[in-house]
Amino acid sequence: AQSVTQPDIHITVSEGASLELRCNYSYGATPYLFWYVQSPGQGLQLLLKYFSGDTLVQGIKGFEAEFKRSQSSFNLRKPSVHWSDAAEYFCAVGAGNTNAGKSTFGDGTTLTVKP
Amino acid sequence: DAGVTQSPTHLIKTRGQQVTLRCSPKSGHDTVSWYQQALGQGPQFIFQYYEEEERQRGNFPDRFSGHQFPNYSSELNVNALLLGDSALYLCASSLVGGGAKNIQYFGAGTRLSVL
Repeated sequence: AQSVTQPDIHITVSEGASLELRCNYSYGATPYLFWYVQSPGQGLQLLLKYFSGDTLVQGIKGFEAEFKRSQSSFNLRKPSVHWSDAAEYFCAVGAGNTNAGKSTFGDGTTLTVKP
Repeated sequence: DAGVTQSPTHLIKTRGQQVTLRCSPKSGHDTVSWYQQALGQGPQFIFQYYEEEERQRGNFPDRFSGHQFPNYSSELNVNALLLGDSALYLCASSLVGGGAKNIQYFGAGTRLSVL
């Protein structure tokens, strides 16, 4: 069974500081990995995805993530955080070709940005 | 290009009642998945519809049922509502298949409150 762990429930960073959100996954084959952001009362917006190839993936809003198979991790990073980045962040693992659309999510990390 | 739309936005029901939530997928998408997001948790997969049939199901009781119409829109029905059914219900659409097609686009959700 696939699973996702986001060890940090809540992270606070100062505006302009760097950010790293951790994600560990469990999956039997090569995973499809995603990071989503959710603002209060909103749905999920896809930040970036990893399917195969280059293990460092770039996303929207200046985010990037690195896939490390040996550590079963897919951590999200941003060099300089903006106040508008305050939100809930979810890591998800998806099945491959036969199960398009089904994803397993972590419980999220809430990001607070201090001025 | 319209994204995923869900209705209603908010809904208040009492225990034992039945509720129907609606979802229109992103233009060109043929697969609809439903997720339940309880407060403080990540989305949990309920089920997925493709070609008007339920293709996959998560760990949810039979009180949760769905339907997909020929135009790919979908409904989620919940019978005999319990207090624990209070949550944000998210609809996601995608294209069947793997690779880049395995990207889900989420609606803003329906907030269900059961009193």
